[in-house]
Amino acid sequence: DAKTTQPPSMDCAEGRAANLPCNHSTISGNEYVYWYRQIHSQGPQYIIHGLKNNETNEMASLIITEDRKSSTLILPHATLRDTAVYYCIPLWTGNQFYFGTGTSLTVIP
Amino acid sequence: NAGVTQTPKFQVLKTGQSMTLQCAQDMNHNSMYWYRQDPGMGLRLIYYSASEGTTDKGEVPNGYNVSRLNKREFSLRLESAAPSQTSVYFCASSSRDLGVEKLFFGSGTQLSVL
Repeated sequence: DAKTTQPPSMDCAEGRAANLPCNHSTISGNEYVYWYRQIHSQGPQYIIHGLKNNETNEMASLIITEDRKSSTLILPHATLRDTAVYYCIPLWTGNQFYFGTGTSLTVIP
Repeated sequence: NAGVTQTPKFQVLKTGQSMTLQCAQDMNHNSMYWYRQDPGMGLRLIYYSASEGTTDKGEVPNGYNVSRLNKREFSLRLESAAPSQTSVYFCASSSRDLGVEKLFFGSGTQLSVL
Protein backbone atom coordinates (compact mmCIF):
# COMPACT_ATOMS: atom_id res chain seq x y z
CA ASP A 1 0.00 0.00 0.00
CA ALA A 2 1.10 3.52 -0.74
CA LYS A 3 2.25 5.71 2.14
CA THR A 4 0.79 9.16 2.59
CA THR A 5 2.00 12.48 3.96
CA GLN A 6 -0.48 15.09 5.15
CA PRO A 7 0.13 18.27 7.14
CA PRO A 8 -0.89 17.68 10.76
CA SER A 9 -3.06 20.78 10.98
CA MET A 10 -4.52 23.64 8.96
CA ASP A 11 -6.76 26.63 9.55
CA CYS A 12 -9.29 28.12 7.17
CA ALA A 13 -11.54 31.15 7.43
CA GLU A 14 -15.24 30.44 7.30
CA GLY A 15 -16.62 30.91 3.78
CA ARG A 16 -13.24 30.51 2.15
CA ALA A 17 -12.01 27.46 0.25
CA ALA A 18 -10.11 24.88 2.26
CA ASN A 19 -7.38 23.10 0.28
CA LEU A 20 -6.05 19.99 1.98
CA PRO A 21 -2.98 18.43 0.35
CA CYS A 22 -1.86 14.81 0.41
CA ASN A 23 1.36 13.34 -0.90
CA HIS A 24 1.16 9.70 -2.03
CA SER A 25 4.27 9.40 -4.19
CA THR A 26 4.37 5.57 -3.99
CA ILE A 27 0.81 5.05 -5.18
CA SER A 28 0.35 2.21 -7.65
CA GLY A 29 -1.62 2.40 -10.85
CA ASN A 30 -4.65 0.54 -9.57
CA GLU A 31 -5.00 2.37 -6.25
CA TYR A 32 -7.81 4.82 -5.84
CA VAL A 33 -7.37 7.85 -3.59
CA TYR A 34 -10.09 8.05 -0.94
CA TRP A 35 -10.81 10.91 1.41
CA TYR A 36 -12.64 10.51 4.71
CA ARG A 37 -13.25 12.91 7.55
CA GLN A 38 -13.88 12.43 11.25
CA ILE A 39 -15.84 15.00 13.17
CA HIS A 40 -15.15 15.12 16.89
CA SER A 41 -14.73 11.42 17.73
CA GLN A 42 -17.59 10.25 15.53
CA GLY A 43 -16.92 7.43 13.10
CA PRO A 44 -15.16 8.58 9.91
CA GLN A 45 -17.35 9.60 7.00
CA TYR A 46 -16.66 9.04 3.31
CA ILE A 47 -16.17 12.24 1.32
CA ILE A 48 -14.92 11.46 -2.17
CA HIS A 49 -12.59 9.21 -4.18
CA GLY A 50 -10.74 9.32 -7.49
CA LEU A 51 -8.37 7.34 -9.68
CA LYS A 52 -6.95 9.62 -12.35
CA ASN A 53 -9.46 12.33 -13.15
CA ASN A 54 -10.55 15.20 -10.99
CA GLU A 55 -13.82 14.53 -9.20
CA THR A 56 -16.57 16.64 -7.67
CA ASN A 57 -19.57 15.78 -5.56
CA GLU A 58 -21.90 17.65 -3.26
CA MET A 59 -19.34 17.68 -0.46
CA ALA A 60 -16.01 18.45 -2.11
CA SER A 61 -13.73 18.40 -5.11
CA LEU A 62 -10.69 16.20 -5.56
CA ILE A 63 -7.76 17.26 -7.70
CA ILE A 64 -5.24 14.53 -8.57
CA THR A 65 -1.97 15.46 -10.23
CA GLU A 66 -1.22 13.94 -13.61
CA ASP A 67 1.54 11.74 -12.17
CA ARG A 68 -0.87 10.73 -9.35
CA LYS A 69 1.77 11.38 -6.71
CA SER A 70 -0.33 13.91 -4.87
CA SER A 71 -3.89 15.11 -4.53
CA THR A 72 -5.79 18.01 -3.00
CA LEU A 73 -9.19 17.92 -1.38
CA ILE A 74 -11.08 21.17 -1.81
CA LEU A 75 -13.98 22.28 0.37
CA PRO A 76 -15.18 25.25 -1.69
CA HIS A 77 -16.92 27.25 1.04
CA ALA A 78 -15.82 25.98 4.42
CA THR A 79 -18.26 26.17 7.31
CA LEU A 80 -17.74 25.63 11.03
CA ARG A 81 -19.23 22.15 10.61
CA ASP A 82 -16.30 21.24 8.36
CA THR A 83 -13.94 21.36 11.36
CA ALA A 84 -12.69 17.77 11.45
CA VAL A 85 -9.74 15.48 10.85
CA TYR A 86 -9.35 14.64 7.15
CA TYR A 87 -7.75 11.39 6.03
CA CYS A 88 -6.27 10.65 2.61
CA ILE A 89 -6.12 6.90 1.88
CA PRO A 90 -4.76 5.26 -1.27
CA LEU A 91 -6.39 1.88 -1.73
CA TRP A 92 -6.86 -0.79 -4.32
CA THR A 93 -9.97 -2.89 -4.39
CA GLY A 94 -9.88 -5.83 -2.02
CA ASN A 95 -7.24 -4.35 0.24
CA GLN A 96 -7.79 -2.84 3.66
CA PHE A 97 -8.29 0.77 4.69
CA TYR A 98 -5.39 1.96 6.82
CA PHE A 99 -5.86 5.40 8.35
CA GLY A 100 -2.89 7.62 9.17
CA THR A 101 -3.12 10.63 11.48
CA GLY A 102 -4.69 12.90 8.84
CA THR A 103 -4.97 16.69 8.82
CA SER A 104 -6.86 18.47 11.57
CA LEU A 105 -8.77 21.28 9.87
CA THR A 106 -10.08 24.14 11.99
CA VAL A 107 -12.54 26.51 10.36
CA ILE A 108 -12.30 29.90 12.01
CA PRO A 109 -15.34 32.21 12.25
CA ASN B 1 -31.79 1.74 7.77
CA ALA B 2 -29.84 1.81 11.00
CA GLY B 3 -26.51 1.31 9.20
CA VAL B 4 -23.82 0.05 11.57
CA THR B 5 -24.88 -0.39 15.19
CA GLN B 6 -22.39 -0.88 18.02
CA THR B 7 -23.08 -1.81 21.62
CA PRO B 8 -22.33 -0.74 24.26
CA LYS B 9 -21.49 2.94 23.77
CA PHE B 10 -19.51 3.15 27.00
CA GLN B 11 -17.86 0.52 29.18
CA VAL B 12 -15.56 0.53 32.17
CA LEU B 13 -13.63 -2.65 32.98
CA LYS B 14 -11.16 -3.68 35.60
CA THR B 15 -7.85 -5.17 34.53
CA GLY B 16 -8.31 -8.85 33.77
CA GLN B 17 -12.03 -8.71 33.07
CA SER B 18 -13.40 -9.89 29.77
CA MET B 19 -16.06 -8.43 27.53
CA THR B 20 -17.44 -8.58 24.03
CA LEU B 21 -18.20 -5.59 21.82
CA GLN B 22 -21.08 -6.19 19.49
CA CYS B 23 -21.50 -4.86 15.98
CA ALA B 24 -24.28 -5.37 13.45
CA GLN B 25 -24.93 -3.92 10.01
CA ASP B 26 -28.12 -4.00 7.98
CA MET B 27 -26.66 -3.03 4.60
CA ASN B 28 -25.91 -6.57 3.41
CA HIS B 29 -22.18 -5.82 3.25
CA ASN B 30 -19.71 -8.66 2.93
CA SER B 31 -16.78 -7.02 4.71
CA MET B 32 -16.63 -5.85 8.30
CA TYR B 33 -13.87 -4.29 10.40
CA TRP B 34 -12.82 -3.40 13.91
CA TYR B 35 -10.63 -0.34 14.52
CA ARG B 36 -9.33 1.30 17.66
CA GLN B 37 -8.48 4.95 18.10
CA ASP B 38 -6.28 6.23 20.90
CA PRO B 39 -6.36 9.92 21.88
CA GLY B 40 -4.82 12.18 19.25
CA MET B 41 -4.11 9.29 16.90
CA GLY B 42 -5.58 7.87 13.75
CA LEU B 43 -7.56 4.66 13.53
CA ARG B 44 -5.69 1.38 13.65
CA LEU B 45 -7.12 -1.81 12.20
CA ILE B 46 -7.49 -4.65 14.71
CA TYR B 47 -9.24 -7.38 12.71
CA TYR B 48 -11.33 -7.62 9.62
CA SER B 49 -13.65 -10.10 7.96
CA ALA B 50 -13.79 -10.10 4.18
CA SER B 51 -16.81 -12.37 4.14
CA GLU B 52 -18.95 -14.52 6.40
CA GLY B 53 -16.83 -17.27 7.90
CA THR B 54 -13.45 -15.57 7.42
CA THR B 55 -11.42 -13.31 9.68
CA ASP B 56 -7.92 -11.86 9.38
CA LYS B 57 -5.54 -9.87 11.55
CA GLY B 58 -4.96 -6.20 11.02
CA GLU B 59 -2.23 -3.94 12.43
CA VAL B 60 -2.85 -4.47 16.15
CA PRO B 61 -4.56 -7.84 16.80
CA ASN B 62 -2.81 -8.85 20.02
CA GLY B 63 -5.15 -9.19 22.99
CA TYR B 64 -8.29 -9.47 20.86
CA ASN B 65 -10.40 -12.15 19.25
CA VAL B 66 -13.22 -11.78 16.77
CA SER B 67 -16.20 -13.77 15.55
CA ARG B 68 -18.10 -13.26 12.35
CA LEU B 69 -21.32 -14.77 13.62
CA ASN B 70 -23.18 -14.30 10.36
CA LYS B 71 -23.22 -11.80 7.55
CA ARG B 72 -24.73 -9.09 9.76
CA GLU B 73 -22.72 -9.45 12.96
CA PHE B 74 -19.03 -9.12 13.82
CA SER B 75 -18.02 -9.15 17.47
CA LEU B 76 -14.76 -8.20 19.18
CA ARG B 77 -13.73 -9.92 22.40
CA LEU B 78 -11.23 -8.87 25.02
CA GLU B 79 -10.39 -11.99 27.02
CA SER B 80 -8.33 -10.28 29.72
CA ALA B 81 -8.55 -6.52 29.50
CA ALA B 82 -5.43 -4.40 30.07
CA PRO B 83 -5.11 -0.63 30.62
CA SER B 84 -3.37 -0.40 27.23
CA GLN B 85 -6.68 -1.39 25.65
CA THR B 86 -8.35 1.80 26.86
CA SER B 87 -9.50 3.32 23.60
CA VAL B 88 -12.45 4.14 21.37
CA TYR B 89 -13.46 1.18 19.26
CA PHE B 90 -15.14 1.57 15.90
CA CYS B 91 -16.84 -1.09 13.85
CA ALA B 92 -17.28 -0.61 10.12
CA SER B 93 -18.62 -2.41 7.10
CA SER B 94 -17.84 -1.80 3.46
CA SER B 95 -19.63 -1.93 0.18
CA ARG B 96 -17.98 -2.64 -3.12
CA ASP B 97 -19.50 -1.27 -6.30
CA LEU B 98 -17.77 -1.12 -9.68
CA GLY B 99 -14.39 -1.58 -8.05
CA VAL B 100 -14.93 1.18 -5.50
CA GLU B 101 -15.11 0.45 -1.78
CA LYS B 102 -16.71 2.68 0.82
CA LEU B 103 -16.56 2.25 4.57
CA PHE B 104 -19.51 2.90 6.84
CA PHE B 105 -18.79 3.35 10.52
CA GLY B 106 -20.68 2.86 13.73
CA SER B 107 -20.74 5.53 16.43
CA GLY B 108 -18.04 3.93 18.52
CA THR B 109 -17.58 2.31 21.93
CA GLN B 110 -15.56 4.20 24.52
CA LEU B 111 -13.76 1.62 26.67
CA SER B 112 -11.81 2.38 29.83
CA VAL B 113 -9.76 -0.31 31.54
CA LEU B 114 -8.74 0.54 35.08
